[in-house]
Amino acid sequence: NAGVTQTPKFQVLKTGQSMTLQCAQDMNHNSMYWYRQDPGMGLRLIYYSASEGTTDKGEVPNGYNVSRLNKREFSLRLESAAPSQTSVYFCASSEGSYSNQPQHFGDGTRLSIL
Amino acid sequence: KNEVEQSPQNLTAQEGEFITINCSYSVGISALHWLQQHPGGGIVSLFMLSSGKKKHGRLIATINIQEKHSSLHITASHPRDSAVYICAVIYGGATNKLIFGTGTLLAVQP
Repeated sequence: NAGVTQTPKFQVLKTGQSMTLQCAQDMNHNSMYWYRQDPGMGLRLIYYSASEGTTDKGEVPNGYNVSRLNKREFSLRLESAAPSQTSVYFCASSEGSYSNQPQHFGDGTRLSIL
Repeated sequence: KNEVEQSPQNLTAQEGEFITINCSYSVGISALHWLQQHPGGGIVSLFMLSSGKKKHGRLIATINIQEKHSSLHITASHPRDSAVYICAVIYGGATNKLIFGTGTLLAVQP
C-alpha cells in the first residue's frame, strides 16, 4: 500500500532551470495538495486541487504551476528555478473536497537551487 | 506572527514522563489537526478534531473552542515518540486549506 508517492526524493538544480515534481496517490482521494516546508516556518500551501480537473492557488503560488493530470496524479512545475525555492516539498491527499478529512503525506522532495 | 502558535518550541523529556504540547489560534475554526513528523521527514496525521477529546493509544488530543486552544498529550512517553508535532487549523468558511504551526520538537531520552 504505497499511499502518496513523490518523485524525485532529492534534486539539485541551477538557477533558471526547470523541473517537475511528480505526485501520485492510490487511495482514490479527491483532493490533492502541494506544500513547501522551510526552516522556522510552518508548512505553507502552494496549490491545491479539490477534485480532478480543478486547481486553485494557495498561500505561496508565485513561481509554480500545477497540473492535475487525472484523479491519481498532481504535478508541481518550477519553470525557472530560483534560490528562494530551495525547500522541502510535500504532496498530500485527502478523501474529501474540504480539509476536514485527514491528510496523507508523501515522503517529501528535498530541492536545492544553486 | 503565525496565526497558529505552538508551545513549547522544543521539549526534552525522560522516558515515562507525561508530555503536553499546546496549540493556540486566533479566530474561529472548523477543525484542528495534529500531525507527527518523524526525523526522516515523513508526516503522519494523528488526529483531526472539532470539539472535545480524542484518544489513540498513548496519545490524547483535546480542544477548547471557546478558548481557541488545543493540547496534545503523550502518556508514558518513549524514545520512539521523539519527533516534531505539528498543529494545523482550518478556519471557518469555504476554505480548503490548513494553516500550520511551526511545530514542537520533542526529544524523549531513555
